[in-house]
Amino acid sequence: DADVTQTPRNRITKTGKRIMLECSQTKGHDRMYWYRQDPGLGLRLIYYSFDVKDINKGEISDGYSVSRQAQAKFSLSLESAIPNQTALYFCATSEWTGYGYTFGSGTRLTVV
Amino acid sequence: DAKTTQPNSMESNEEEPVHLPCNHSTISGTDYIHWYRQLPSQGPEYVIHGLTSNVNNRMASLAIAEDRKSSTLILHRATLRDAAVYYCILRGTLSGNTPLVFGKGTRLSVIA
Repeated sequence: DADVTQTPRNRITKTGKRIMLECSQTKGHDRMYWYRQDPGLGLRLIYYSFDVKDINKGEISDGYSVSRQAQAKFSLSLESAIPNQTALYFCATSEWTGYGYTFGSGTRLTVV
Repeated sequence: DAKTTQPNSMESNEEEPVHLPCNHSTISGTDYIHWYRQLPSQGPEYVIHGLTSNVNNRMASLAIAEDRKSSTLILHRATLRDAAVYYCILRGTLSGNTPLVFGKGTRLSVIA
């Protein structure tokens, strides 16, 4: 099994719908992250969490929310999806030092 | 974290060595040089990191200039599976609380 598992792998949803992307990890790391990747723009940070009680906004948090249900689980929600949120979404974990990031395989989200 | 500069793209023939450069003229004495790569349709993966001395692992070698203002990631024998975007990132010893920030990296194409 992968160290960081993202579900679903692909999702097509309609404008205005609420959607949740899920991430679970078996690395035992406290730190988890959500990134978004658009073609030609690289990865941008949406939200991050250093432990279960800690949630921090990243560079592009507007229109997104997160939930850290447990050390191993970190979910990303789009409350009302819009087409410009069409992108590839990655979840990652890291050691407490901030080194050794491990990424999931990504969720390709299309908002129509 | 200090800024890095990488070429947008590079090309290599299969089974030949590849030298991927990274300039970081504003690097501080406590900044580590990290390299990640992102294979097509996958999340980034850690490759290697170093501070001052050259480093080797099973994936690659990292050569760091004596003045530390530049470094080179060396793939000793490129394969088609090495075609990816390679990111050079500086991380200070105190940056554990700062999430990883990705630039645009270098897109490496490997020709059979």
